[in-house]
Amino acid sequence: SQQGEEDPQALSIQEGENATMNCSYKTSINNLQWYRQNSGRGLVHLILIRSNEREKHSGRLRVTLDTSKKSSSLLITASRAADTASYFCATDARGYSTLTFGKGTMLLVSP
Amino acid sequence: KAGVTQTPRYLIKTRGQQVTLSCSPISGHRSVSWYQQTPGQGLQFLFEYFSETQRNKGNFPGRFSGRQFSNSRSEMNVSTLELGDSALYLCASSLEGQPYEQYFGPGTRLTVT
Repeated sequence: SQQGEEDPQALSIQEGENATMNCSYKTSINNLQWYRQNSGRGLVHLILIRSNEREKHSGRLRVTLDTSKKSSSLLITASRAADTASYFCATDARGYSTLTFGKGTMLLVSP
Repeated sequence: KAGVTQTPRYLIKTRGQQVTLSCSPISGHRSVSWYQQTPGQGLQFLFEYFSETQRNKGNFPGRFSGRQFSNSRSEMNVSTLELGDSALYLCASSLEGQPYEQYFGPGTRLTVT
């Protein structure tokens, strides 16, 4: 079953703009991760944020986590055409290693 | 380090047949998980193996099975294929101490006709 719901389902921006996508989840989590998927290929791990962290940065990526609202956001700054992909959030619960994914946000970055 | 590899990358099978997919994890990773991705259901967990033992199983029928070998390589098998089994099957591996931080292979695209 799907734990997370990404919002928006699709996002279209121009190169150089920032892209923000959100993820909401239903139950308590241990960690939340973001993955990228290009054209139905494998998932690429982007960033992991633990339940006791509020914000994390990695290059052009910024992730925030609000456990009180059960939500997270992924910000990609200065988007490039190569960022065009689907982005998924995945959560795991304490004591469990299985990941539960949202349905993803499709990001299109136009040159 | 080489990433997770999956073979074959593409497969076409007929209803009623069976299929075996293979996954080689990142060197040093002993946990292997399998996921099914379809347009309708999204990404769903199938099962997880660690040290040749199934540690977790998702909500899939018994036609879906798997195993792990002593070198951590894993296979999954689907018997009596149905049209609805058409999907991208993704394998992921992780370190023993961080089973939730999973690294995915390119997937096997299975088409059932």
